[in-house]
Amino acid sequence: NAGVTQTPKFRVLKTGQSMTLLCAQDMNHEYMYWYRQDPGMGLRLIHYSVGEGTTAKGEVPDGYNVSRLKKQNFLLGLESAAPSQTSVYFCASSYTQETQYFGPGTRLLVL
Amino acid sequence: LAKTTQPISMDSYEGQEVNITCSHNNIATNDYITWYQQFPSQGPRFIIQGYKTKVTNEVASLFIPADRKSSTLSLPRVSLSDTAVYYCLVGPSRSSASKIIFGSGTRLSIRP
Repeated sequence: NAGVTQTPKFRVLKTGQSMTLLCAQDMNHEYMYWYRQDPGMGLRLIHYSVGEGTTAKGEVPDGYNVSRLKKQNFLLGLESAAPSQTSVYFCASSYTQETQYFGPGTRLLVL
Repeated sequence: LAKTTQPISMDSYEGQEVNITCSHNNIATNDYITWYQQFPSQGPRFIIQGYKTKVTNEVASLFIPADRKSSTLSLPRVSLSDTAVYYCLVGPSRSSASKIIFGSGTRLSIRP
């Protein structure tokens, strides 16, 4: 039982490049979330999903897109990366919305 | 969604009991109170959750007064490994989709 895994662990992009972050969970959770955390700050919700095939916007959705084609996977896409998107990205999943299980994070640097 | 207020930082010493209080004046009837712990370079980890009165597990206790406008996370006999950021969250209710706000948390530093 791996819990929540994230791929990749670290990535460097140039401004304007695109990439996709993958989150996978093996706990059969309905809810999945993508957060970003900037240095010294709390987590901010980007997008979330309440089930396979559904997505919704969180607090800071601009510049990101998501997809939940399979229940166990939640993808976060950056179509045209900007330096302001340099951050640590955390994925989480949950059975109920109150108790979330987090992945190890992806560090993204946009030059 | 109920906003939470908690101290930015706290210091304590090994072996002491640490209490971190979170204010949530606008808590809704269906909201739960959840605390997370985050170590550097790791994702947050669920610690404890409660609705009212007192909840205790192997890690911490959570005290919630009758009006539920605040809550206190209690860590007994802390050690250096308890140095982390602690987040208090209120809600979301089980019946609605959510916009979850972690806030900046409380940075707890434990000294020898």
